[in-house]
Amino acid sequence: AQSVTQLDSQVPVFEEAPVELRCNYSSSVSVYLFWYVQYPNQGLQLLLKYLSGSTLVKGINGFEAEFNKSQTSFHLRKPSVHISDTAEYFCAVSDPAGGYQKVTFGTGTKLQVIP
Amino acid sequence: DADVTQTPRNRITKTGKRIMLECSQTKGHDRMYWYRQDPGLGLRLIYYSFDVKDINKGEISDGYSVSRQAQAKFSLSLESAIPNQTALYFCATSDKRVSGANVLTFGAGSRLTVL
Repeated sequence: AQSVTQLDSQVPVFEEAPVELRCNYSSSVSVYLFWYVQYPNQGLQLLLKYLSGSTLVKGINGFEAEFNKSQTSFHLRKPSVHISDTAEYFCAVSDPAGGYQKVTFGTGTKLQVIP
Repeated sequence: DADVTQTPRNRITKTGKRIMLECSQTKGHDRMYWYRQDPGLGLRLIYYSFDVKDINKGEISDGYSVSRQAQAKFSLSLESAIPNQTALYFCATSDKRVSGANVLTFGAGSRLTVL
């Protein structure tokens, strides 16, 4: 069974500082990996996804993530955060095999950008 | 207009009442989902539907039922609401015709409070 662990429930960071949000997954097969972002009072939207190929994936709003198969991680990074990045971030995993591709979400990390 | 529209956005009800949350989409996607979000628990899948005649239970379907009235409409019902069903509910869609990962498009959410 696939699962996702986001160890940090909250991450405070000063504006213009770098940030890393951690995500580890477990799966017995190859995986697709995602980061979704939820801004206050909104639904989730896709930030970036890893399907195959280059392990460094670039997403919207200057975010990027690196797939590390040996460490089963998919950490999200941004070199310089803005106030507008304040949101909750969810890591997710799905199994590419089969027709359904069930998506399993982590518990989320709240990023608080401090002015 | 939003691609995935949920109504109502907020609802307060009493224990034992029947509640329906509605979702409609203009994406033309065939797959629709209902998720529940609770603080610290992330998103959990309640029901999903691949087309009008294909409805499946998710992780936490007890106490809920769904109806896929048309390709574009998917409603979630709580036959007799209880306080632990207080949560933020999300409808999501995805398109099976797109090769690659199962990328979800979310509505803005319906916040339900059961007193």
